[in-house]
Amino acid sequence: KQEVTQIPAALSVPEGENLVLNCSFTDSAIYNLQWFRQDPGKGLTSLLLIQSSQREQTSGRLNASLDKSSGRSTLYIAASQPGDSATYLCAVNAGGTSYGKLTFGQGTILTVHP
Amino acid sequence: EAQVTQNPRYLITVTGKKLTVTCSQNMNHEYMSWYRQDPGLGLRQIYYSMNVEVTDKGDVPEGYKVSRKEKRNFPLILESPSPNQTSLYFCASSFKASGHNEQFFGPGTRLTVL
Repeated sequence: KQEVTQIPAALSVPEGENLVLNCSFTDSAIYNLQWFRQDPGKGLTSLLLIQSSQREQTSGRLNASLDKSSGRSTLYIAASQPGDSATYLCAVNAGGTSYGKLTFGQGTILTVHP
Repeated sequence: EAQVTQNPRYLITVTGKKLTVTCSQNMNHEYMSWYRQDPGLGLRQIYYSMNVEVTDKGDVPEGYKVSRKEKRNFPLILESPSPNQTSLYFCASSFKASGHNEQFFGPGTRLTVL
């Protein structure tokens, strides 16, 4: 059974810092991994999708890497801003008989203070 | 605008009173699914649909029903809601179940069952 763990559970940083969020998964047989952002009481906004054959994806100040063999992904946020404050979730799609189900981590709550 | 919509966004109801949460997507996606999000338990899949008239159970299907009569719509039905179904519900869709397909989430429906 696929399990996804995110570390740290919470992170508080001053504005301008570069930071790294970690995600690990137990079964390396995945189709893709997706990073989401969730604001309090709101929906999930997709940030980046990394295919199993890819090593990294970039979007603006965000960079996500994937090491499938070790079961790890990191989300790097450059020059953090208060508007980045949210919960960040990673989710893996194991494909096959999981039929599209995303297995989510518990999330990292990020607070960026001015 | 490409999006997944859900209605209602907020609902307070009483035990046993049947309700339906609608989900619609305008991206011609084949795959749709429902998740619930609970503190400490994260996001868990309730039901999914690979295409029209094709639905199947996820990890927590008890107490829920779904239907997929049209490609764009995937309603979640609670025939006799109970307090343990109080949760935040998300509908998601993607072009296909797996492979190189990003999943998009709706804004969420916060349900309270008294």
